[in-house]
Amino acid sequence: GENVEQHPSTLSVQEGDSAVIKCTYSDSASNYFPWYKQELGKGPQLIIDIRSNVGEKKDQRIAVTLNKTAKHFSLHITETQPEDSAVYFCAARNSQGAQKLVFGQGTRLTINP
Amino acid sequence: EPEVTQTPSHQVTQMGQEVILRCVPISNHLYFYWYRQILGQKVEFLVSFYNNEISEKSEIFDDQFSVERPDGSNFTLKIRSTKLEDSAMYFCASSELYSNQPQHFGDGTRLSIL
Repeated sequence: GENVEQHPSTLSVQEGDSAVIKCTYSDSASNYFPWYKQELGKGPQLIIDIRSNVGEKKDQRIAVTLNKTAKHFSLHITETQPEDSAVYFCAARNSQGAQKLVFGQGTRLTINP
Repeated sequence: EPEVTQTPSHQVTQMGQEVILRCVPISNHLYFYWYRQILGQKVEFLVSFYNNEISEKSEIFDDQFSVERPDGSNFTLKIRSTKLEDSAMYFCASSELYSNQPQHFGDGTRLSIL
C-alpha cells in the first residue's frame, strides 16, 4: 500500500524567511496530494492541495510543487509569519477506488520573531 | 464556513467499556471518514462510509469497531470493548464526493482509556 514520508520533523525559521517541507510517496497511482495545518487543540485544516495533472499550485504565500517522476511533493511558505507556527501534514490518495488519505509524520514549524 | 463538529472533545473511559464518539459532518457532504492519531504517531485511516455502508476500512478497524449514521446529521464511531491501546485522538472527516474532493476534518475527540 501507499507510504508517505515527510521531512523534516521540526523546522524553525526566522519570521519573513521561507519554509519548505518535503514529502515522498510510494504508490505511483496516487493522484491527489493535500496539505493540512494543525494548530494546538484543533483538527487538521486543509490549506492547499494539488492533483497529479499539474506540477505547481499557488495560493498567496503558500505553494505546492509535485514531481510525479520522482514521487515527491513539497510545501513552500514564503514571508513566514508567527501565525504560520503549527504542525503541517502532507497526505496522498489513490482515488481509483480508494478514498483514504495516507499521511506523513508531520512537521512542527516554528516561526521565530 | 461550514465545519465538521465532534463531541465530546475529551472522553475518559475504563478499559473494557463501550464508547461512542459523535460527529456532525458538513451538511451537503456524502462521504464520511474516521481517522485516529496515537500520540506522536501519524494520522491513520480507520474507515470510510457512503450511502449508509462502509466503503473501505483499514486493518485497524476490527470487529470491536462499528460506524453508524443513525439519522440525517450524525455519524458515530463505536468501540465495543475498549483497550488501553485505543487511547488516541479520533478525527471525523467528510467530503462532497470521494473522487478527488477535499476531506474536511473536525477538531477531534481525545479518547483516554484507563
